[in-house]
Amino acid sequence: DSGVTQTPKHLITATGQRVTLRCSPRSGDLSVYWYQQSLDQGLQFLIQYYNGEERAKGNILERFSAQQFPDLHSELNLSSLELGDSALYFCASSPLESGELFFGEGSRLTVL
Amino acid sequence: GENVEQHPSTLSVQEGDSAVIKCTYSDSASNYFPWYKQELGKGSQLIIDIRSNVGEKKDQRIAVTLNKTAKHFSLHITETQPEDSAVYFCAASQRGADGLTFGKGTHLIIQP
Repeated sequence: DSGVTQTPKHLITATGQRVTLRCSPRSGDLSVYWYQQSLDQGLQFLIQYYNGEERAKGNILERFSAQQFPDLHSELNLSSLELGDSALYFCASSPLESGELFFGEGSRLTVL
Repeated sequence: GENVEQHPSTLSVQEGDSAVIKCTYSDSASNYFPWYKQELGKGSQLIIDIRSNVGEKKDQRIAVTLNKTAKHFSLHITETQPEDSAVYFCAASQRGADGLTFGKGTHLIIQP
């Protein structure tokens, strides 16, 4: 158990809908990262937050947004969903800027 | 930006044999190279990492080698066991856990 909690584990929705994925980092970790994993693309970095502030952006679509709350949990919002958004979404946390990433077990999103 | 290529995408070896997974990176400024293991239904876990001031690092049956000149690094697993079956990801960055670029993963299958 990495200490990173993600909910929901599985989510099935329709095209055009909006979903929210939630992540609780390890106790004390200030950095939260979101990754998307699809079959042919591996782990793609989406966005990073550090102590409530956006720190880095990767290949995140404009239809996606995220935030980190004062209690350090984070949410990833995916809107106007398309079939191609079906993937595993991982959250990871890290204690320091240059520390090890601790991954949650992921949220599997299926868009029908 | 950084680009990490990983080969092979699938590797099947007999139990007890060795396995080697190779990665190349494009950005000569990258100085941190971790390897993550993802077991079925779980998040990825760091198994070993190496920094650019070191050519090789070992941890029991696992070793990583780095060739900065050629910009490639490899994961070596000796005396493979069934529990080594998983997807392995290499990654590279200039700033530790921040800005990690992952390869597309290698599915390692240990045949009994």
